[in-house]
Amino acid sequence: GEDVEQSLFLSVREGDSSVINCTYTDSSSTYLYWYKQEPGAGLQLLTYIFSNMDMKQDQRLTVLLNKKDKHLSLRIADTQTGDSAIYFCAERGGPSGGYNKLIFGAGTRLAVHP
Amino acid sequence: GAGVSQSPSNKVTEKGKDVELRCDPISGHTALYWYRQSLGQGLEFLIYFQGNSAPDKSGLPSDRFSAERTGGSVSTLTIQRTQQEDSAVYLCASSPLSGRGLGNEQYFGPGTRLTVT
Repeated sequence: GEDVEQSLFLSVREGDSSVINCTYTDSSSTYLYWYKQEPGAGLQLLTYIFSNMDMKQDQRLTVLLNKKDKHLSLRIADTQTGDSAIYFCAERGGPSGGYNKLIFGAGTRLAVHP
Repeated sequence: GAGVSQSPSNKVTEKGKDVELRCDPISGHTALYWYRQSLGQGLEFLIYFQGNSAPDKSGLPSDRFSAERTGGSVSTLTIQRTQQEDSAVYLCASSPLSGRGLGNEQYFGPGTRLTVT
C-alpha cells in the first residue's frame, strides 16, 4: 500500500538551515510535494519535484529526492520565524491507487527560536 | 485571482444532525478534491471530481458521507447523522488538470472546522 512518513517535530535556531525528511513507499509515484500549513490556515503548496529529478532548488528551498531509498527532504536555508509551521510531504498516488489523490504524511512541526 | 474558498469556516453541530460543507474551486480548474484532517493527523483523501466523469469515492469513510459537484464548479460535501468522530477540518482542493501530467498541482482552501458535540 501507499504510505508516507515524517518525523513529527523539528526545532531550529533562527538563521540556521532546517532539513525536514520524508519517506514514502510507492515507487511508482510520479510527483512528490511539500506543503506548508500555518496555524488556522489551509495548505500552501511550496514546491514539488518530478520523480526523474534528484534535486530542485527554489530560492531558500532545496528539495532532494533519493528514489532508490524512497527518501525526500526539504531544506530551508536561513530559517526565519515566519517559517514556523507544519510541513507536509505528499506523494501523488501511483497506478494502483489512482493518480488523482495525494497521500500525505502526518506533518512535521517546525519551530524556529531566536 | 481568487483562490479556493470554503464555507462555513467553522461549524458546530449536534450529534445526529446533517451538515453541508461548500467549496468554490479556482475558476477554470477542472478537478476538485475533498480531504479530511483530524487533529494531529495528516490529510485523508475523501473524494475526487473530474469534469463529467464519475467521481472517485474510494476515500469516503461511510455511506453517511456524500458529495456532489454542480455544473462542474461548486461542490458540496454532506455528512448525514453526524458522529463525534466526524469532528475534523474538511479541506477542499482544486487543480487545473488531472492525471499524471504537469499542471495537476492541488491548491487548497482554508478548510471548514467541523465540531460535533
